[in-house]
Amino acid sequence: DQQVKQNSPSLSVQEGRISILNCDYTNSMFDYFLWYKKYPAEGPTFLISISSIKDKNEDGRFTVFLNKSAKHLSLHIVPSQPGDSAVYFCAAIYTGNQFYFGTGTSLTVIP
Amino acid sequence: GAGVSQSPRYKVAKRGQDVALRCDPISGHVSLFWYQQALGQGPEFLTYFQNEAQLDKSGLPSDRFFAERPEGSVSTLKIQRTQQEDSAVYLCASSPRASNTEAFFGQGTRLTVV
Repeated sequence: DQQVKQNSPSLSVQEGRISILNCDYTNSMFDYFLWYKKYPAEGPTFLISISSIKDKNEDGRFTVFLNKSAKHLSLHIVPSQPGDSAVYFCAAIYTGNQFYFGTGTSLTVIP
Repeated sequence: GAGVSQSPRYKVAKRGQDVALRCDPISGHVSLFWYQQALGQGPEFLTYFQNEAQLDKSGLPSDRFFAERPEGSVSTLKIQRTQQEDSAVYLCASSPRASNTEAFFGQGTRLTVV
């Protein structure tokens, strides 16, 4: 049973525009959420996170929004750059010792 | 190096063969995790160590999978009598604390069982 879902397998955005990646979850016990970025043949790299007590966290061009009532979070990248092209994984935690990952969204930023 | 190191990067095994995958975590990191990532899927949790103690192995898919971290640093994931469905990328991650909110991943070992 997939507890974290990324329903868009791919997304293409023009350079300079906003990229919005979405993630839905089913387990209301999740209390910490993360986004990881993955290039081919590399391991996932931590990007940004948010605690369930917050609804927004911002780090440079990256902002994560959390809507607990909708069990939905999103990652905004503004402005998008070609180097942002990668697979983005949403992950959630509640037990403190394992991530529950989504299936990933492949972002392509077109120059 | 400064990051999590996994070896080998690629492994091809004949069905029925035993394999051992190694993870060198970041020095001093308390927590170590193993994940399995099948093609087109997100990583799925296998097991978790806090120092040398294996605190959670609920994600190991069968008793053919075994992990150890005897001295609280390097970890080995062993798969006995490999089967085709074991083909995946195996990711190791480490974290400086007991919680994994700052987990750093290695590049993974791609296992192909033929």
